[in-house]
Amino acid sequence: DQQVKQNSPSLSVQEGRISILNCDYTNSMFDYFLWYKKYPAEGPTFLISISSIKDKNEDGRFTVFLNKSAKHLSLHIVPSQPGDSAVYFCAASVRYKLSFGAGTTVTVRA
Amino acid sequence: DSGVTQTPKHLITATGQRVTLRCSPRSGDLSVYWYQQSLDQGLQFLIQYYNGEERAKGNILERFSAQQFPDLHSELNLSSLELGDSALYFCASSVTTSNEQFFGPGTRLTVL
Repeated sequence: DQQVKQNSPSLSVQEGRISILNCDYTNSMFDYFLWYKKYPAEGPTFLISISSIKDKNEDGRFTVFLNKSAKHLSLHIVPSQPGDSAVYFCAASVRYKLSFGAGTTVTVRA
Repeated sequence: DSGVTQTPKHLITATGQRVTLRCSPRSGDLSVYWYQQSLDQGLQFLIQYYNGEERAKGNILERFSAQQFPDLHSELNLSSLELGDSALYFCASSVTTSNEQFFGPGTRLTVL
């Protein structure tokens, strides 16, 4: 049973524009949410996180928004750069056990 | 480079066989986690070890087992392999038990 869902398998965005990645979850016990980024032939790399007690966390070009009532998480990347082209995984945690979504492949066009 | 190493990179074997995947965590990390990523699926948490002791268990099959050795490297043993076990297996590590984990490049297992 997929507790974390990324319904968009892919996203194409022009360089300099905003990328918005979405994630939905079903388990209300999740207390921490993360985004990981993955390049081909490499493992996922931690990008940004947010605690369930917050609704926004910002780190440079990356901002994560959490809407607990809707059980929805989003990642905004502004501005998008060619090096952002990768697979992005949403993850949620309860007592440090991570559940991952299936990933969204982002392609940044020049 | 995350500092987590996994061997082998690729493994091809037959149904019914047994394989061992190896993981060396980052220097200083005491926790090791194992994940399975099947085709078009997210990573599924299998098991966590902390300083040699099993700390948490996820959806790990009884045919699978793991251990962490005194030098902190870990091995994931998969036995009586089935076609559905074909997947990418990732190892991750962290200093303590943490949500922010450092992942290795994975081992791609193909069961024919």
